[in-house]
Amino acid sequence: AQSVTQLGSHVSVSEGALVLLRCNYSSSVPPYLFWYVQYPNQGLQLLLKYTTGATLVKGINGFEAEFKKSETSFHLTKPSAHMSDAAEYFCAVTTSSYDKVIFGPGTSLSVIP
Amino acid sequence: DAGVTQSPTHLIKTRGQQVTLRCSPKSGHDTVSWYQQALGQGPQFIFQYYEEEERQRGNFPDRFSGHQFPNYSSELNVNALLLGDSALYLCASSLTLTGVEKLFFGSGTQLSVL
Repeated sequence: AQSVTQLGSHVSVSEGALVLLRCNYSSSVPPYLFWYVQYPNQGLQLLLKYTTGATLVKGINGFEAEFKKSETSFHLTKPSAHMSDAAEYFCAVTTSSYDKVIFGPGTSLSVIP
Repeated sequence: DAGVTQSPTHLIKTRGQQVTLRCSPKSGHDTVSWYQQALGQGPQFIFQYYEEEERQRGNFPDRFSGHQFPNYSSELNVNALLLGDSALYLCASSLTLTGVEKLFFGSGTQLSVL
């Protein structure tokens, strides 16, 4: 069975500072990994995904994540935080394009002006 | 091009009642998945429908049932509501060709059970 843990339910950064949101996964087979963002009163929007190939993946809004198999991690980063980045971020895992997606508990990101 | 639409946006029910939530997938999509998101938690997979059949199911009791119509729209039904069913219910659509690699979510239905 797959699972996802996200270290830190709340993260605060200053505007312009580095954003680092942590995600570790558990999977018995090579995983597909995702980061989604959820703004208040909205559904989830895909930021980026890793399926196969290059382990450093770039997404929308300047975010990127690196798949590290040895560490079973898929941390999300952004060099410079913007006020509009304040939202809830979810890491997710699945085993294939046709399996259910398992979400982590989420990390709430606050950006301090 | 409309995205995933869900109705209603908010709903208040009492314990023991039944509820039906509706979802229209993004144009061209043929697969619908339903998720339950309790306050402060990540979405939990309920089930997925394709070709009007339930293709996968998560760890939810039989009180949760669904349906997919020929136009690919879907309904989620919950019987004998419990206080613990209070949550945001999200619908996600996809094209079976690309699967969950391209999931599009609706804004959800906020269900409150009193």
